Amino acid sequence: TQLLEQSPQFLSIQEGENLTVYCNSSSVFSSLQWYRQEPGEGPVLLVTVVTGGEVKKLKRLTFQFGDARKDSSLHITAAQPGDTGLYLCAGARGGSQGNLIFGKGTKLSVKP
Amino acid sequence: GAVVSQHPSWVICKSGTSVKIECRSLDFQATTMFWYRQFPKQSLMLMATSNEGSKATYEQGVEKDKFLINHASLTLSTLTVTSAHPEDSSFYICSALGDGRLTYNEQFFGPGTRLTVL
Repeated sequence: TQLLEQSPQFLSIQEGENLTVYCNSSSVFSSLQWYRQEPGEGPVLLVTVVTGGEVKKLKRLTFQFGDARKDSSLHITAAQPGDTGLYLCAGARGGSQGNLIFGKGTKLSVKP
Repeated sequence: GAVVSQHPSWVICKSGTSVKIECRSLDFQATTMFWYRQFPKQSLMLMATSNEGSKATYEQGVEKDKFLINHASLTLSTLTVTSAHPEDSSFYICSALGDGRLTYNEQFFGPGTRLTVL
């Protein structure tokens, strides 16, 4: 069974601080996606990483895929209250079904 | 592009009744859709994979007679919670698999349906 462990589970920081969220697995994924979800809404896709060692930037968010495609990280620089939400990583299994394995999520709270 | 809608956004029903939730891909065709369940402060739990024109594939522990899935067209999948009970109360989210314009099996999620069974 492929598992995706996400940490930390909860994170409460002050505006302006930096933070990193990690997703780790013993399995290799064909791609890994990061989503952000706000209460009462569906997850919104932030980025997809595919190549081992790949780094993608989305404004203050930096996403990295591990060289072996087993782990990924999300780094937020100078966090803002608008970054508050549940961050989910999801690994894609091989094959055409497109099934995703989700991490348990990181609940981020950024206080002004 | 890649917008997915869900209806209703919330529903309250009496125990024993059935509730149907619709998931639509608005600007693309989705041969594959997924249904998830999410409990408060927890991650998404995949319930089933819905394929257009064929029977859904259910995850282990999910009762197919309890959660009926119909994917009758390339833009619509429905989830019917039959004989609902209070323990079925949850946030149900659907997603649709990208239609080939995207390469990496990305899923696009609907806004979710909050079901409360009294």
